[in-house]
Amino acid sequence: EVQLVESGGGLVQPGGSLRLSCAASGFTFSSYDMHWVRQATGKGLEWVSAIGTAGDTYYPGSVKGRFTISRENAKNSLYLQMNSLRAGDTAVYYCARAAIAVAGTDFDYWGQGTLVTVSS
Amino acid sequence: QSVLTQPPSVSGAPGQRVTISCTGSSSNIGAGYDVHWYQQLPGTAPKLLIYGNSNRPSGVPDRFSGSKSGTSASLAITGLQAEDEADYYCQSYDSSLSGSIVFGGGTKLTVL
Repeated sequence: EVQLVESGGGLVQPGGSLRLSCAASGFTFSSYDMHWVRQATGKGLEWVSAIGTAGDTYYPGSVKGRFTISRENAKNSLYLQMNSLRAGDTAVYYCARAAIAVAGTDFDYWGQGTLVTVSS
Repeated sequence: QSVLTQPPSVSGAPGQRVTISCTGSSSNIGAGYDVHWYQQLPGTAPKLLIYGNSNRPSGVPDRFSGSKSGTSASLAITGLQAEDEADYYCQSYDSSLSGSIVFGGGTKLTVL
């Protein structure tokens, strides 16, 4: 059974940093592109970052230069290093598996999410 | 402002049919990129409902169907059930601004 379990969320002050983790199991982690998607309370979904099987990374303009996605295949783990955090980054952060390695593919499995709150 | 536009809410009585639209542009849906749909029940993570415009993952009832035409896509739900009450999101890819995965703003389905 595919499982994605996020951790590392919490309360952080504006300008601070936080590192999220996503533990994957039930599939060959190294063979899949992985993504982070966030959702502010009562709002819609927003794509945050992606990492390919070769370690190539992608970000939208809203987080580029502040967030860094990485993976450690030996530990079946995905990470999101978030720096220079702003109030607007407050959200539940989900890790999600890309179904296939094609731009715009669907996300066939999602974690339960971890809440990040940026506030003083 | 989402790149893909969905109605904020739709409603229907049990047993009825409802549709949710997802309108994009020539840089996303109109460029030929696939549209996918997710269902998000209250307090839970999104769940893949339709992929590749019209395909259902294993376990998704055939009451759910998707279609795409031009710069728009639609999700149809027939035989509406109380358990279908949820938020629904469309997703695609946009080739502008260095490429990006884009979502619709979401549609709240209320079963009357």
